[in-house]
Amino acid sequence: GEDVEQSLFLSVREGDSSVINCTYTDSSSTYLYWYKQEPGAGLQLLTYIFSNMDMKQDQRLTVLLNKKDKHLSLRIADTQTGDSAIYFCAGLGGSSYKLIFGSGTRLLVRP
Amino acid sequence: GAVVSQHPSRVICKSGTSVKIECRSLDFQATTMFWYRQFPKQSLMLMATSNEGSKATYEQGVEKDKFLINHASLTLSTLTVTSAHPEDSSFYICSAHPFRDRAQGGNTIYFGEGSWLTVV
Repeated sequence: GEDVEQSLFLSVREGDSSVINCTYTDSSSTYLYWYKQEPGAGLQLLTYIFSNMDMKQDQRLTVLLNKKDKHLSLRIADTQTGDSAIYFCAGLGGSSYKLIFGSGTRLLVRP
Repeated sequence: GAVVSQHPSRVICKSGTSVKIECRSLDFQATTMFWYRQFPKQSLMLMATSNEGSKATYEQGVEKDKFLINHASLTLSTLTVTSAHPEDSSFYICSAHPFRDRAQGGNTIYFGEGSWLTVV
């Protein structure tokens, strides 16, 4: 089955760019997602990318997909303190709509 | 954007009792909803797939008699934790995929705000 891995922690200064990385194993994943979770809250959908795309940009967010290496990244430009949260990448498992989540990356933005 | 609402957001129950958590899609229909469980500082683990009008599909290791799922309409799925015990204390989150998005070739999946269950 699908396995999704992420680094656990990232610390950046306010105003810098943040890059959160994710690797996955299932090459048949058609969609890959990024979600943000603030303490005690649910998951907020940030963006998703279809597997036939290499890049997707949405305001401060840029998603890069390297299908050959099965590597996904989320870049947050001009990171703000409000961006401090846990970020999950997730892959859609095969033909179902079940999401397989990575362990989450805790982003800490220092003033 | 699409909204998925969960209720209650927090619930405390006594050991041995049952508690029901609702998941509603507020502005779209969803034939399929999903229930996840999240332990503190951990990732989300899929528990089951809730199918409107039919039985839920449970993931391996999830007791279907303990976690009862009912998906009676296109906008509501419920998770009932029966005979709850302290080890069932967790954060439960549901997700839903707008049918209209699927029909248009999209694939957005939205999550509820989650429900904190504490069993004492």
